[in-house]
Amino acid sequence: SQTIHQWPATLVQPVGSPLSLECTVEGTSNPNLYWYRQAAGRGLQLLFYSVGIGQISSEVPQNLSASRPQDRQFILSSKKLLLSDSGFYLCAWSVGGTNYNEQFFGPGTRLTVL
Amino acid sequence: AQSVTQPDIHITVSEGASLELRCNYSYGATPYLFWYVQSPGQGLQLLLKYFSGDTLVQGIKGFEAEFKRSQSSFNLRKPSVHWSDAAEYFCAVGVYGQNFVFGPGTRLSVLP
Repeated sequence: SQTIHQWPATLVQPVGSPLSLECTVEGTSNPNLYWYRQAAGRGLQLLFYSVGIGQISSEVPQNLSASRPQDRQFILSSKKLLLSDSGFYLCAWSVGGTNYNEQFFGPGTRLTVL
Repeated sequence: AQSVTQPDIHITVSEGASLELRCNYSYGATPYLFWYVQSPGQGLQLLLKYFSGDTLVQGIKGFEAEFKRSQSSFNLRKPSVHWSDAAEYFCAVGVYGQNFVFGPGTRLSVLP
């Protein structure tokens, strides 16, 4: 069966510090991968998605970036965090080849920027 | 513009009462429809999905949803709510060639 992991689970970082969140998927090949952000009391905002290694699409302009160095690994990064980057970050995957099929979510990372 | 709306931001029901959460979408093409549930501090779990066929879809945890094309709706229902159903519920729509769009969510509170 497929599983999706995210780490760390929680993170407290000062403004201006770098960020690296990691997401890995097991039990499937060539998945579509997604990064979402959920601000407090808000819905989900799609940040990035990837249909293959090295292929990243950005949905919103921001100081975050994403990379996919391996088929089942998706990394969210920032060189300098802003206060507004605080939120709950969710990684998700779906079956490759389609982008309208159900997505499966990881447990999330709670990021607090102070 | 394509959109998904969940008109109710917050709903409170008593345990044992019935529940209906509303979802409306605006898409030109036939959509794929989903309901997810999110417990506090957790990821999202898929409750049910509709791709085609029978417009009444059964999901996990006793939930069901009905697709009504004429009303562009996909409302989620449960005949008897349990305290453990308290969570945030998201409707989502997928259309061929485009990414998912999630609704803003409805927070469900359950009174004992």
